[in-house]
Amino acid sequence: EEQLVASGGGLVQPGGSLRLSCATSGFSFSSYSMNWVRQAPGKGLEWVSYISSGSSSIYYADSVKGRFTISRDNAKNSLYLQLNSLRAEDTAVYYCARDHCNSHSCFRAFDMWGQGTMVTVSS
Amino acid sequence: EIVLTQSPATLSLSPGERATLSCRASQSVSSYLAWYQQKPGQPPRLLIYDASNRATGIPARFSGSGSGTDFTLTISSLEPEDFAVYYCQQRSNWPPITFGQGTRLEIK
Repeated sequence: EEQLVASGGGLVQPGGSLRLSCATSGFSFSSYSMNWVRQAPGKGLEWVSYISSGSSSIYYADSVKGRFTISRDNAKNSLYLQLNSLRAEDTAVYYCARDHCNSHSCFRAFDMWGQGTMVTVSS
Repeated sequence: EIVLTQSPATLSLSPGERATLSCRASQSVSSYLAWYQQKPGQPPRLLIYDASNRATGIPARFSGSGSGTDFTLTISSLEPEDFAVYYCQQRSNWPPITFGQGTRLEIK
């Protein structure tokens, strides 16, 4: 069974740091580009960051650029997001999401999502 | 940044009725438009990609149409499990990837 399991969230003070992880199984992780998407309580979805399959391309939303760092370890089938200089507005559920690909092509959508991990930034 | 505007914000319908949800882009996104369904406490679920292609396992009552700046998600006959929040997402001119603000489909 294909699966994404996000972890690492918690309560942190403003200015603090967290490292989120997304453990994957059931598919060839090293063949897929991956993303982080967040959702503040009661709000909509916000794309946070993208990393290509081999880590050669990395992109961030302007709201997190310079503070968050995406990475992956293909040997461990895992995706990461390092969150630094956290602010109250970073409070959200953070989802890892896989780019949608089939055996022939990749498409510009997310076909698999983890269950999310909650990050709360508060003093 | 491409802004996606969804309408209506809330749609109240009864099971068996037809639902029509709209997503308008601030500039052309070609056909690089996806639709997601999200239920409370769950992650989003991909319904439609490339404007009109149903994702694996999605029932035929869900269909997507449009190109350029105007897109529609249609649910032909609502089932009880279809009441949820729906988001559109573009990935034409990116980064950033952007989402609409969502349409809440509620039971009338």
